[in-house]
Amino acid sequence: GIQVEQSPPDLILQEGANSTLRCNFSDSVNNLQWFHQNPWGQLINLFYIPSGTKQNGRLSATTVATERYSLLYISSSQTTDSGVYFCAVESSNDMRFGAGTRLTVKP
Amino acid sequence: DAGVIQSPRHEVTEMGQEVTLRCKPISGHNSLFWYRQTMMRGLELLIYFNNNVPIDDSGMPEDRFSAKMPNASFSTLKIQPSEPRDSAVYFCASNRDRASSAFFGQGTRLTVV
Repeated sequence: GIQVEQSPPDLILQEGANSTLRCNFSDSVNNLQWFHQNPWGQLINLFYIPSGTKQNGRLSATTVATERYSLLYISSSQTTDSGVYFCAVESSNDMRFGAGTRLTVKP
Repeated sequence: DAGVIQSPRHEVTEMGQEVTLRCKPISGHNSLFWYRQTMMRGLELLIYFNNNVPIDDSGMPEDRFSAKMPNASFSTLKIQPSEPRDSAVYFCASNRDRASSAFFGQGTRLTVV
């Protein structure tokens, strides 16, 4: 099946810093999403982005489908951004998740 | 819409007992996914339904696990008999189709003792 790799696995930032999270996938995909799992375990949909660029406030995402990667940008990070960020891709009949990037934003 | 609704939120059961987890997808969504999340294995897809029909159950770990979707508004994941290694958070998600966003329920934290 399709392989999804996320980097870095862990990231510690000072509040106000910017960061880039990466998601590589091994095959062409129909669908790519970014999720944030907050410290309470809830999975929040951030972006549906099979290709192109989207922005939502301090967050933006870019997917280059031909090169099989996606990037999630977080600007001016806040402590509430802490949690695990997952990339999920859908190819044939399923939606597979990467292992996630654990982000800790310190005040 | 209330979003994807899962019940119960927490379940503690003894080894060997039957466990049934429930999910109500968002109205109008045609696809439903069951996932299991553990520290060791991350988020694993167990089974995927489209229009109430199981499309891919290759992620179901063994015959002790079964899932049904009798109608568009309800799905169950059953474990019989349960074992301690089944302890995990089980998530249900739904989307309208493969070209749209998926939304997750709040999960069921299962502990088998």
